[in-house]
Amino acid sequence: KAGVTQTPRYLIKTRGQQVTLSCSPISGHRSVSWYQQTPGQGLQFLFEYFSETQRNKGNFPGRFSGRQFSNSRSEMNVSTLELGDSALYLCASSLPGQTYEQYFGPGTRLTVT
Amino acid sequence: DQQVKQNSPSLSVQEGRISILNCDYTNSMFDYFLWYKKYPAEGPTFLISISSIKDKNEDGRFTVFLNKSAKHLSLHIVPSQPGDSAVYFCAAPSVYNQGGKLIFGQGTELSVKP
Repeated sequence: KAGVTQTPRYLIKTRGQQVTLSCSPISGHRSVSWYQQTPGQGLQFLFEYFSETQRNKGNFPGRFSGRQFSNSRSEMNVSTLELGDSALYLCASSLPGQTYEQYFGPGTRLTVT
Repeated sequence: DQQVKQNSPSLSVQEGRISILNCDYTNSMFDYFLWYKKYPAEGPTFLISISSIKDKNEDGRFTVFLNKSAKHLSLHIVPSQPGDSAVYFCAAPSVYNQGGKLIFGQGTELSVKP
């Protein structure tokens, strides 16, 4: 089985721009979670989608949004980028009923200049 | 309050010796804990987990111990190998969880020297 894939792997954007990141979960996984990793902050939960519905949301501003498609693929969008949004964005998928054991993609490294 | 804390940012161990990574948590309602390992340029991979009804879970060289009264868990790696060099995260599902919201510690970078 193919693992979780994320595109693009690296991205450089300018302050004020917006960005869309994509995540394709493992086949059969219907839950997709997004995390932000920054030095010193560890992994912080952004949101989780299940069957095209947002099921959980972390403490991030409304500039961060996401969605999930009928094939379970997910996208997250960050609008009006700030320097502090520079981070590794990780997507994870899991099977229904086993949402604790998440399988992570390699991440998208976003740099905001 | 739901926090998972790893107070040691780094740990260096000699090959063949034991590595002990520690994790503390604040909420006694956490009922499940996981350890993930992360190599550079890769996403975290699930390593081992433990339910709060147990105090120990073992998988090969990896053992996790849970001390509920102290709100503390630890991951033991015996014997340590150079390939174990990575960042280790402990995590717990949110107590208000309806699904896949994990709360992670800040990570401990393990270096195993040959």
